[in-house]
Amino acid sequence: DVKVTQSSRYLVKRTGEKVFLECVQDMDHENMFWYRQDPGLGLRLIYFSYDVKMKEKGDIPEGYSVSREKKERFSLILESASTNQTSMYLCASSLGDRASYEQYFGPGTRLTVT
Amino acid sequence: GENVEQHPSTLSVQEGDSAVIKCTYSDSASNYFPWYKQELGKRPQLIIDIRSNVGEKKDQRIAVTLNKTAKHFSLHITETQPEDSAVYFCAARHYNNDMRFGAGTRLTVKP
Repeated sequence: DVKVTQSSRYLVKRTGEKVFLECVQDMDHENMFWYRQDPGLGLRLIYFSYDVKMKEKGDIPEGYSVSREKKERFSLILESASTNQTSMYLCASSLGDRASYEQYFGPGTRLTVT
Repeated sequence: GENVEQHPSTLSVQEGDSAVIKCTYSDSASNYFPWYKQELGKRPQLIIDIRSNVGEKKDQRIAVTLNKTAKHFSLHITETQPEDSAVYFCAARHYNNDMRFGAGTRLTVKP
């Protein structure tokens, strides 16, 4: 059973703080993704990674960076949190094998920036 | 990059009726089209998917159709039940591994 976990379910930070969101998967998946979910906008891709130390920008990378030093862990970093980054953040992972492209999601982190 | 549009944004049906949700995508290089269901307070979960070399796929009460020429795909739910009430997302996977999602459809099935 695939398990994707995120470091926090709820997080409250102040404007200007540096924020780290951690995601860990236990199925040896090559691909990992960070999305933010906002009402009416669906899931928007921030960054994804297809291998250790590799990253690709999604649709809304501004204000975010990522780190993937180990295969199982993908971190999302908000360098200087702003109120417009208040959102639900979802991490996902998938195999890099064409046999299965299914994404498995973590429980989400609801971040509030005040 | 890929752009996925999803309609309608909300859908209300009577229990037992059918529900149809439609999506269009922009990049002909996309090769995989999943549908995810997200219940309130839970994470999205895959309910059905289709690859670009297939036109239709069925799994009990749900089916997905793909028209590659027109770049659109649809989710069909028959004999809807109250437990089908959720937000449904379509998505398109590009050959370079990234996945783009539609804005979601909130389906309400009234008993």
